[in-house]
Amino acid sequence: DVKVTQSSRYLVKRTGEKVFLECVQDMDHENMFWYRQDPGLGLRLIYFSYDVKMKEKGDIPEGYSVSREKKERFSLILESASTNQTSMYLCASRGFLGTYEQYFGPGTRLTVT
Amino acid sequence: GEDVEQSLFLSVREGDSSVINCTYTDSSSTYLYWYKQEPGAGLQLLTYIFSNMDMKQDQRLTVLLNKKDKHLSLRIADTQTGDSAIYFCAESIERTGFQKLVFGTGTRLLVSP
Repeated sequence: DVKVTQSSRYLVKRTGEKVFLECVQDMDHENMFWYRQDPGLGLRLIYFSYDVKMKEKGDIPEGYSVSREKKERFSLILESASTNQTSMYLCASRGFLGTYEQYFGPGTRLTVT
Repeated sequence: GEDVEQSLFLSVREGDSSVINCTYTDSSSTYLYWYKQEPGAGLQLLTYIFSNMDMKQDQRLTVLLNKKDKHLSLRIADTQTGDSAIYFCAESIERTGFQKLVFGTGTRLLVSP
């Protein structure tokens, strides 16, 4: 079974803080993704990575950056957290073969006060 | 553009059938997916359908695909209270040699006893 884990289930941070969200997958998947989920908006892609040290902007990258130093780990960084970044953050991974489905972590609910 | 649309809510009684509908925009999508999200959890892949199929059945789940109308539906037979969740449809889209998923807004299914 594919396992995708995220470092925290719940996180509360103050405006202006630097925030790190970590994601680890154990299936040697090449591709990893960060989404945010907001009610009525579904999932929106923030960044993805198709290999170590490679990253691509998704649909809403503003205010975020990412890091992929090792294949199994993909980090999302909020350089200076703002209240409009309060959301559920979901990490996913996918291999090159198969039906392109993505495997998701349990999510991190981030509140910025 | 990339747009996947779903209705936001569906309410059914236990034992009834549920039908969740989705419309998508990219006629070149290779696969279409249904994901389930239970409260406080990440997304789990429920089922998928290859774009050259019209129908796929998997136990209580039936997926229907109308490519002409770009319409996808998920039917859950004999709906149970444990089926209460948010259901997301997603299409795979090819962009500059990379497959990405575009998700709908999600349909919250509420099953009452």
